[in-house]
Amino acid sequence: DVVMTQSPLSLPVTLGQPASISCRSSQSLVHSNGNTYLNWFQQRPGQSPRRLIYNVFNRDSGVPDRFSGSGSGTYFTLKISRVEAEDVGIYYCLQSTHWPPYTFGQGTKLEIK
Amino acid sequence: EVQLVESGGGLVQPGGSLRLSCAVSGFRFSSYHMHWFRRAPGQGLAWVSRIEDDGTLLTYADSVKGRFTISRDNAKNMLYLQMSSLRAEDTAVYYCARDNISPGDLWGQGTLVLVSS
Repeated sequence: DVVMTQSPLSLPVTLGQPASISCRSSQSLVHSNGNTYLNWFQQRPGQSPRRLIYNVFNRDSGVPDRFSGSGSGTYFTLKISRVEAEDVGIYYCLQSTHWPPYTFGQGTKLEIK
Repeated sequence: EVQLVESGGGLVQPGGSLRLSCAVSGFRFSSYHMHWFRRAPGQGLAWVSRIEDDGTLLTYADSVKGRFTISRDNAKNMLYLQMSSLRAEDTAVYYCARDNISPGDLWGQGTLVLVSS
């Protein structure tokens, strides 16, 4: 199984400041078709998860452009350019290249300082 | 309105069974692969099972293989998860989710399964 390792696991951020979360996979996430299936999710307190980014850098509909994804191979990053209060929650990376199983990172809890 | 609505959760004793349902509306259900995910108390998200758009190719996490069965009724726009031989470690909020290019572009609100005596 592909192991996904996120860091940091806790991320206190000042409002208006940038934030960055990294996700490392135990093997390359490049599929035989050339695509890389690395996705990012946000789960706000008391809410269902929401997909923010799919296939490394593609923003889902309605996701603010302050969220961006990057990376390749085994190392990926989610960046928030300016953190807002509504960004509080837990962020997960998910690999969907080598399945089953689909595997998540442990989650990164973002809070406001 | 595009939505997924889970139901069927509740309290069940260890060794018992439960069937979760996910009612889909607002999109062509038969065109999408579907998943079940869960989040146990104090833990992160975990994938449980996947079913192809036409109901073929069923896949499961090792932790539920042989105990859980995913199915769908495309005529009724319904997704199901039959859970048996339930264990305390199956306690979680269960979510159904759509697969669009990659998993999870659309999620339900979740249904809580509590396995306890």
